[in-house]
Amino acid sequence: DVRLVESGGGLVQPGGSLRLSCAASGFTFRSFWMSWVRQAPGKGLEWVASIKVDGTEKYYVDSVKGRFTISRDNAQNSLFLQMNSLRGEDTAVYYCTRDRVTGTFFDSWGQGTLVTVSS
Amino acid sequence: DIQMTQSPSTLSASVGDRVTITCRASQSIRNYLAWYQQKPGKAPNLLIYRASTLESGVPSRFSGSGSGTDFTLTISSLQPDDFATYYCQQYNSFASFGQGTKVEIK
Repeated sequence: DVRLVESGGGLVQPGGSLRLSCAASGFTFRSFWMSWVRQAPGKGLEWVASIKVDGTEKYYVDSVKGRFTISRDNAQNSLFLQMNSLRGEDTAVYYCTRDRVTGTFFDSWGQGTLVTVSS
Repeated sequence: DIQMTQSPSTLSASVGDRVTITCRASQSIRNYLAWYQQKPGKAPNLLIYRASTLESGVPSRFSGSGSGTDFTLTISSLQPDDFATYYCQQYNSFASFGQGTKVEIK
């Protein structure tokens, strides 16, 4: 079975940094695009970033460009999200997702990790 | 950016009802649309992709239709397990979600 387990969330002050990790298992990680999707408390879903199978292409929602960096380690079956210059509006549950081969929609999700940006 | 608008935001229904949720895109997305179900405190679950293709394991009472800018998710006979929030998502250009439709007990 596909399993995605996020870690690294927590409380951080505005302007601070945090690195999220996602450990993947149960599938051939290096064959799938991967993404991060977030959900602010009581709000809807927002796509954050996606990365190609080999890490050579990366895409971001405008609101995080220049602040967040998505990366992956195919040898370790891991996905990462480096978040810098964090703002209050970045407070959310961050989900690691696997993209279906045929498009940027998400057929497997982790349980999520909560990031709270507050002083 | 492609904006996705769902209606209604909240829907009150009873077990056995036929339920329809609408999703409209701000420009044509061909048929690159997915639907998800989310229950409180849980991650979303993929129901439908390519506007009308049912994901493996999803009950056949769920169906999707549409193309271009207008799409619908239909639950033919609402079951107790279906009370949840539903999201549409376009993937014609990166990804963006509708604001969600909460299906609650009438």
